[in-house]
Order: sequence, then C-alpha cells, then structure tokens
Amino acid sequence: QKEVEQDPGPLSVPEGAIVSLNCTYSNSAFQYFMWYRQYSRKGPELLMYTYSSGNKEDGRFTAQVDKSSKYISLFIRDSQPSDSATYLCAMTRVRGYNKLIFGAGTRLAVHP
Amino acid sequence: NAGVTQTPKFRILKIGQSMTLQCTQDMNHNYMYWYRQDPGMGLKLIYYSVGAGITDKGEVPNGYNVSRSTTEDFPLRLELAAPSQTSVYFCASSTAPDSNQPQHFGDGTRLSIL
Repeated sequence: QKEVEQDPGPLSVPEGAIVSLNCTYSNSAFQYFMWYRQYSRKGPELLMYTYSSGNKEDGRFTAQVDKSSKYISLFIRDSQPSDSATYLCAMTRVRGYNKLIFGAGTRLAVHP
Repeated sequence: NAGVTQTPKFRILKIGQSMTLQCTQDMNHNYMYWYRQDPGMGLKLIYYSVGAGITDKGEVPNGYNVSRSTTEDFPLRLELAAPSQTSVYFCASSTAPDSNQPQHFGDGTRLSIL
C-alpha cells in the first residue's frame, strides 16, 4: 500500500465549476501538507502549503487538511481552462524536503 | 530570469551506456535536489545537496551518482543505464530545506533506456 494515495483521473469539468481534488495517507505522523501544480512538460510549482489541520485559502484555491481522517483536499472555485494541469499532493512529518512523499497526481481538464 | 535549467530535454540511451544530466540554477540557492517521476508513482527523491561539496542520498539513489563542486551546478550521473531508469528527471533548488519555502523546478529531462 502506498503511503499517499491520489486518484489519477482524468477529471474533466466545465469552465466555472468547483473542483475538488483529494489525497488520502496512511502515516499519522505527517504534519506538513502541500499541493503542487504541474503543467504538461513542465516542472511542478508549489501552489499551497498547510501545516497540521485546518483550511488555508489563496484566491480561488482552498486547501483543507483533516488529520483525523488522514485526508487532504484542494478546492478550486470558478475553474478556468488555465487550471488544466496535473495536481500533486505532497506531505512530510518533518519540515525538510528530503523526506517529502508525493502522490501520483490527478490530471484535471477544464473545458470552455 | 532563467531559474533552474536542465539539459538535455530528451535523450535515448542504450543499456549499459553512461550519461550526465546537467542542472544549473542562477538564484544562488544552497539546496538542490534530483527527482525522478514515473507514471502513476509521483516524484521520488534521488539525491540532494545542502551546499557545494555536500551531497546525500534520497529515497532511490541506486544506480546514480552526483557531485556539487559549485553552488550553481548539480549534475546527475548514470553509470550503467538500465531500462528501470527510464523516467522523467527533475532538478530543483530552494533557499532553505524547509518545505514551506518553495522549491523551484526545472522543466525536466525525459530519458529512455532501450
């Protein structure tokens, strides 16, 4: 069983829809959670960072962590075609990048 | 503003050949990383460096070597290429090792071993 599970999709939604992307994990020691966006043939870029449980909002993006359920989510409001990308979750129990565990990524397509 | 530059973008190797994947950054970052990304598997850390002359193994270091003689450059060497090393390789850098500081990624090298 993988430490971090993420549905690969693809997820196809119409422009303007609310998108929900999710990851589950098995290690209860994880406390730093990240979402990366990766456009086709490009490297990932950090989108959201959350420590421990709770919500964090940045513009149209909201990251949510539920440590009791070992479940994290990324919500995208008013989705745009430019949001079409692969979204990777990542998490670690310590702050250092050398222990970061990535999910496999969910491919999202937002059509006009 | 170049950021992290990786060369080559694509390469096909025969089994047993060697090659070096180049990575250079112009942001004066001390911390640099090499990842591989396989379909359905997410990114896995191969090696990382905390500064010139200092490197350490990540999760999947077997079959690879690195060196860090300057702050800017962090090449990854494959000595005896194997089909299992077919992957997309990403180099990244950051100002600090903490995961709340963003890593800056290059655009990757797509490597096929036949």
